[in-house]
Amino acid sequence: SAVISQKPSRDICQRGTSLTIQCQVDSQVTMMFWYRQQPGQSLTLIATANQGSEATYESGFVIDKFPISRPNLTFSTLTVSNMSPEDSSIYLCSVGQLGETQYFGPGTRLLVL
Amino acid sequence: GENVEQHPSTLSVQEGDSAVIKCTYSDSASNYFPWYKQELGKRPQLIIDIRSNVGEKKDQRIAVTLNKTAKHFSLHITETQPEDSAVYFCAAGRRGGTSYGKLTFGQGTILTVHP
Repeated sequence: SAVISQKPSRDICQRGTSLTIQCQVDSQVTMMFWYRQQPGQSLTLIATANQGSEATYESGFVIDKFPISRPNLTFSTLTVSNMSPEDSSIYLCSVGQLGETQYFGPGTRLLVL
Repeated sequence: GENVEQHPSTLSVQEGDSAVIKCTYSDSASNYFPWYKQELGKRPQLIIDIRSNVGEKKDQRIAVTLNKTAKHFSLHITETQPEDSAVYFCAAGRRGGTSYGKLTFGQGTILTVHP
């Protein structure tokens, strides 16, 4: 399976600031997704990152708060904007080929003070 | 949209016993059901998956069963070992249409295997 990396692995941020998380894959993948996992909770899909077009957001998530880029088939970014303590979570990207299984990146642990 | 319910939320077994985790889903169009294992501080790792054209799939000590009519699927772990201790998540998704690839996760089951 593909090797997936995320940067940063963790960060502590002040409220009101923004953080951009990067997801890099070592091979081209058809599909990339961003998930949020709040402490002790399950995984919630934020959006599907579409290559060359705007991301597709799930209910409860908006582009102004979570802008996403996907300039090519190996890279995507998720920005958490105007952060509040409620944004403290693990953010994970997942990747997969069309019709195949999704695999997760190592995650970015975000703490907002 | 899809809704996935997972039970139990916690499960404690003795080493060597079997463990069963159950999930139900709401969207009859879902046709792909993976299971992920997440150890503390680690990413979710796929352990087994099943597609809707199959009723059962087995991989060594792990098996998954699917009942499409009842819209439920289960994970079975036999001969449990302490290293099986983790959080297990079921998920449901579609392999087709506009929702292609999206997964909806259950709430998770904390499995503890006592030596």
